[in-house]
Amino acid sequence: GESVGLHLPTLSVQEGDNSIINCAYSNSASDYFIWYKQESGKGPQFIIDIRSNMDKRQGQRVTVLLNKTVKHLSLQIAATQPGDSAVYFCAENQYGGKLIFGQGTELSVKP
Amino acid sequence: DTEVTQTPKHLVMGMTNKKSLKCEQHMGHRAMYWYKQKAKKPPELMFVYSYEKLSINESVPSRFSPECPNSSLLNLHLHALQPEDSALYLCASSQDLKGQGVDEQYFGPGTRLTVT
Repeated sequence: GESVGLHLPTLSVQEGDNSIINCAYSNSASDYFIWYKQESGKGPQFIIDIRSNMDKRQGQRVTVLLNKTVKHLSLQIAATQPGDSAVYFCAENQYGGKLIFGQGTELSVKP
Repeated sequence: DTEVTQTPKHLVMGMTNKKSLKCEQHMGHRAMYWYKQKAKKPPELMFVYSYEKLSINESVPSRFSPECPNSSLLNLHLHALQPEDSALYLCASSQDLKGQGVDEQYFGPGTRLTVT
């Protein structure tokens, strides 16, 4: 069965605001998580990853937070732009390359 | 070149047809993957090849037959499919330096398959 899930199927934000997309996982032994962005008609695109020996990782305009105590991770997008509109998936990368995706959150950015 | 290419982009086939999906990467990656994605759903892993050997088969029906002719190419042979097999089929690759699969996967744009 699935080991990761997202809290909200859709999220609508105003351009320029910050976006927060949440994800929960069930396996406390999980140690590698990835956030993917999938635009319409395209394959998933890597955004940022985090391993269990970290609580936070930052990229360009994106931050991933990992709370191992409550088995929760989040993706924060700063100053959200129309080009950020897409479906966002959290995924657990298990040993052997088995990538288990959550259900996805569709982010809509209003101009 | 950080691209994974897939052909064809779209495919319509009857239930008695035999067709193949193709995937190619020139990043020197040694792991390649097939995923199936239904509309409004996340991708689901089907197969993993590591160093040209099949390492994971997620109990996929035998009407789907993967093939990895070399480290750059991955095929998915289709035979006697059902309408419920209609989906977006995604290919991905990763470096897999340690043969453990625990590194970033790069996805292709997918093949949109319709079975009539």
